[in-house]
Amino acid sequence: EAGVAQSPRYKIIEKRQSVAFWCNPISGHATLYWYQQILGQGPKLLIQFQNNGVVDDSQLPKDRFSAERLKGVDSTLKIQPAKLEDSAVYLCASSKLAGGPLGDTQYFGPGTRLTVL
Amino acid sequence: GQQVMQIPQYQHVQEGEDFTTYCNSSTTLSNIQWYKQRPGGHPVFLIQLVKSGEVKKQKRLTFQFGEAKKNSSLHITATQTTDVGTYFCAGPFNDYKLSFGAGTTVTVRA
Repeated sequence: EAGVAQSPRYKIIEKRQSVAFWCNPISGHATLYWYQQILGQGPKLLIQFQNNGVVDDSQLPKDRFSAERLKGVDSTLKIQPAKLEDSAVYLCASSKLAGGPLGDTQYFGPGTRLTVL
Repeated sequence: GQQVMQIPQYQHVQEGEDFTTYCNSSTTLSNIQWYKQRPGGHPVFLIQLVKSGEVKKQKRLTFQFGEAKKNSSLHITATQTTDVGTYFCAGPFNDYKLSFGAGTTVTVRA
């Protein structure tokens, strides 16, 4: 079974530029997550999709970040314009089910390391 | 902010020794999950604990969920160099959203 795919793996941009990340979850997984992991910290959930609907985006800085999951499969996360503090690893994860109170195993992709200069 | 706290933040261990890392939640959790992230890698699911007082073992790793379901621990015996990495606990809040702790980063002295 193929894992979660992400691209690009690395991206360096200057502040105020735009950037987009792509994620392809494990086939058949209903739920897709985007996390931001700043160096030395645990992953922080930015947005959670179930199929192509947003379940939670309470921690997504909506003035600059946007995400979509068309057709309930692939997803893109965009930052426009980028700030220095956006430098982090952006992790995509997927799970079979919606999570719920008992949770559901999340499978993470390799991440995209973003450096904003 | 994060609602799951982990201690210690760093653990330097002599190869062959045992150590324990702890996870504490501000509220009662329905379950707790543990993930391991190798240097330069991504988090990988290790285990999920659901029942109060539950203990699960994976070879040299022992995971425990507290009786009050507000804390958890990971104990590693006879630490090996393959144990290097950051161990995260994560608990669901608002029914579904996983909140990760800051992790315990483990280094091993050969």
